Amino acid sequence: QVQLVQSGGEVKKPGSSVKVSCKASGDSFSRYVISWVRQAPGQGLEWVGETIPFLDKPKYAQKFQGRVTISADESTSTSYLELRSLRSDDTAVYYCAREGHCGSTMCLYYAMDVWGQGTSVTVSS
Amino acid sequence: EIVMTQSPATLSVSPGQRVTVSCRASQSVGSNLAWYQQKPGQAPRLLINGVSARAAGAPARFSGSGSGTEFTLTISSLQSEDFAVYFCQQYDDWPRTFGQGTKLEIK
Repeated sequence: QVQLVQSGGEVKKPGSSVKVSCKASGDSFSRYVISWVRQAPGQGLEWVGETIPFLDKPKYAQKFQGRVTISADESTSTSYLELRSLRSDDTAVYYCAREGHCGSTMCLYYAMDVWGQGTSVTVSS
Repeated sequence: EIVMTQSPATLSVSPGQRVTVSCRASQSVGSNLAWYQQKPGQAPRLLINGVSARAAGAPARFSGSGSGTEFTLTISSLQSEDFAVYFCQQYDDWPRTFGQGTKLEIK
């Protein structure tokens, strides 16, 4: 059974950047759809974007375009979320989750069935 | 983007009670609708995908129904461990979107 283990919490200054990692155990990482979701304190869930490591064609929510990069390193089975120009309203717990897997010609999405434990990012001066 | 609207926001219920949570999509999402449970300090947990398919490990008291734009999560007999926040989510289109959540409180 795949597991996703995320990096530890971060405290950042406004205007800086943060990079959060999500390491997968098990096989087939390069074929997974890895989504990133965030949750501000006391708030709901917000999709940030996704990547499929072997395709390397990430998708992003429009509100984060230009400020976010989601990437993956197939050799270490790790996905990364980098968010730049941090603001106080970026303070949230960031989760990675598996949302599907891809064969040679198509991808199957089946909702976010495996989640990382979450990484707290606090943006404060 | 597809807007997901849940109701109610909060539900005060007693153990053993039957509970229904509603979720409406602003346009059809076909059968690409999931439900998650989240407890304080924990990551969300997938309960239902494909509208009505229980995820591995999800108890049989949880069921999902609906189609198109109207969906329901039902808990047949509420247990103490079910007091949590529940979210619906569509994965029919990008960006993926979630309902705002329904909190089940002990009455």
